[in-house]
Amino acid sequence: QKEVEQNSGPLSVPEGAIASLNCTYSDRGSQSFFWYRQYSGKSPELIMFIYSNGDKEDGRFTAQLNKASQYVSLLIRDSQPSDSATYLCAVIRDNYGQNFVFGPGTRLSVLP
Amino acid sequence: EAQVTQNPRYLITVTGKKLTVTCSQNMNHEYMSWYRQDPGLGLRQIYYSMNVEVTDKGDVPEGYKVSRKEKRNFPLILESPSPNQTSLYFCASSLITNSGGPAGTQYFGPGTRLTVL
Repeated sequence: QKEVEQNSGPLSVPEGAIASLNCTYSDRGSQSFFWYRQYSGKSPELIMFIYSNGDKEDGRFTAQLNKASQYVSLLIRDSQPSDSATYLCAVIRDNYGQNFVFGPGTRLSVLP
Repeated sequence: EAQVTQNPRYLITVTGKKLTVTCSQNMNHEYMSWYRQDPGLGLRQIYYSMNVEVTDKGDVPEGYKVSRKEKRNFPLILESPSPNQTSLYFCASSLITNSGGPAGTQYFGPGTRLTVL
């Protein structure tokens, strides 16, 4: 079992819809959770981070964390074609709290 | 402009020929890290550094070396490259949080595409 798992996609949604991206992690001690976006041929860039159970909203993006279920998600409201990218889930492990583990990423395609 | 730079951006080499990929950041970040990205496997951390002269292994350190002699630079060294090290490599940097771990806002370099024949 991979430590951080995501559906590889592609996930296709129509423009204006809500895109829901999911991530599960196996290390119950994981403490910090991040969503990065990576456009094709480009470097990853941070969208959001979340440390506590519940929801965190930033503009059109909402991150949701459920530590009991070891599940973190990203919702993108009013999806735009410019949101088409690969979304990477990342966690910081508990042991030293110093190294990142990334999921394989979910490719999102927003159709005009 | 705040940035992380990597050189070279593209490199084709042959098995066994030592190479170094440089990484430099101008943001005075303590934390620096190297990742490789392969299709279906995502980003995997090779090595990271919490500060000058402090480095530690990530998940896939075999076949790689790093050094952190200056805060701004974190070169990745492949002493004897092999074809299974063909990959896209990213360097990243971030501040350290009050709790002592890396901040989530890692700034990534543009990537180095390495091919080992």
